Amino acid sequence: DSGVTQTPKHLITATGQRVTLRCSPRSGDLSVYWYQQSLDQGLQFLIQYYNGEERAKGNILERFSAQQFPDLHSELNLSSLELGDSALYFCASSVEMNFANYGYTFGSGTRLTVV
Amino acid sequence: GENVEQHPSTLSVQEGDSAVIKCTYSDSASNYFPWYKQELGKRPQLIIDIRSNVGEKKDQRIAVTLNKTAKHFSLHITETQPEDSAVYFCAASKEGSQGNLIFGKGTKLSVKP
Repeated sequence: DSGVTQTPKHLITATGQRVTLRCSPRSGDLSVYWYQQSLDQGLQFLIQYYNGEERAKGNILERFSAQQFPDLHSELNLSSLELGDSALYFCASSVEMNFANYGYTFGSGTRLTVV
Repeated sequence: GENVEQHPSTLSVQEGDSAVIKCTYSDSASNYFPWYKQELGKRPQLIIDIRSNVGEKKDQRIAVTLNKTAKHFSLHITETQPEDSAVYFCAASKEGSQGNLIFGKGTKLSVKP
């Protein structure tokens, strides 16, 4: 157990629908990062939150949004889902914005299948 | 922004041989370079990292080297074992700024018994 909790582990939904993925960071970590991993693809950075504020954006579609709550858990909202959104979505956390000596700790991921 | 290129995309070695994976980065201000191992269906896990003030770092059978002038860094695995089979990702970032890691596309390492 890495200490980063992601729910649900698996999600199957239809095109056009909306889903919410949830992440609880490791205790003490203030930064949360979301990554998308498609089949045979690397880890694409989506967005970063630090202590409730958005800090960096990567290749995140306008149909996707995220937020970090006062208790530091984060949610990634995916709407108007398309078949191409099927992927493994990882959340990672780190202790501070410049993560010092600790790097990222990844959760186990949510596998999203859009049918 | 930062761009990380990783080679090769696949690598097959015999058990006991060495494996080398190479990455180049584009942003000369990047100063933190971790490597992650991802087994099939599992989360990426940090295996070793190096900072720009260090040229080489070792941890048992794995080592990482960094050439800041050429902007490339490499992962070396010696005496490979079947359990080393996985996808390995390199990454780069700048500390003290936006901390998000930019990953290479990964190398699928297969170690044949």
